[in-house]
Amino acid sequence: GAGVSQTPSNKVTEKGKYVELRCDPISGHTALYWYRQSLGQGPEFLIYFQGTGAADDSGLPNDRFFAVRPEGSVSTLKIQRTERGDSAVYLCASSLSRLNEKLFFGSGTQLSVL
Amino acid sequence: DAKTTQPPSMDCAEGRAANLPCNHSTISGNEYVYWYRQIHSQGPQYIIHGLKNNETNEMASLIITEDRKSSTLILPHATLRDTAVYYCIVMKSSGDKLTFGTGTRLAVRP
Repeated sequence: GAGVSQTPSNKVTEKGKYVELRCDPISGHTALYWYRQSLGQGPEFLIYFQGTGAADDSGLPNDRFFAVRPEGSVSTLKIQRTERGDSAVYLCASSLSRLNEKLFFGSGTQLSVL
Repeated sequence: DAKTTQPPSMDCAEGRAANLPCNHSTISGNEYVYWYRQIHSQGPQYIIHGLKNNETNEMASLIITEDRKSSTLILPHATLRDTAVYYCIVMKSSGDKLTFGTGTRLAVRP
């Protein structure tokens, strides 16, 4: 079956612009996670959804970052007024439920802010 | 406040066993040891996890010391496709989130 799908795979934008990154989790997975990974570092947690609600958004770096999951499936990570420091790979993962420890990751969106 | 310590890099010969160590001396009684790996340009992939007993699946074996302060991930017959960054993570089984360190970069040599 299909895995976690992230689009676009690459996004180049200019400083100050708004971007949206999309994640399609595995069908039936109720838990969805966003991570960010800078070069040479491990993934860094941003936010976790259980169903439609954000159960833990403690990793969002500031209020320029926002994520939604209106129907409990697809999620969008939104970044306003992008800065060069936002350049990273943004990874999405899903799991069967919040009680399931096996996360399935997508291949990520490489965001480059010029 | 890293919960685990791993060597930054290792290598092994193709066809040989790869033994990746991890120290987690402050692990709590209700925390599990998880291993994920990340192949270049891909997202992390779950490998295995355990609490205190040794575990084995189709990908690897996990050996946890009796005092639970360290563990070893074993890839019994490493192939070139096992070249990746391997992350050892300690966390509770539910309601917790994966927190990645910098992992061990394993290079499998032909």
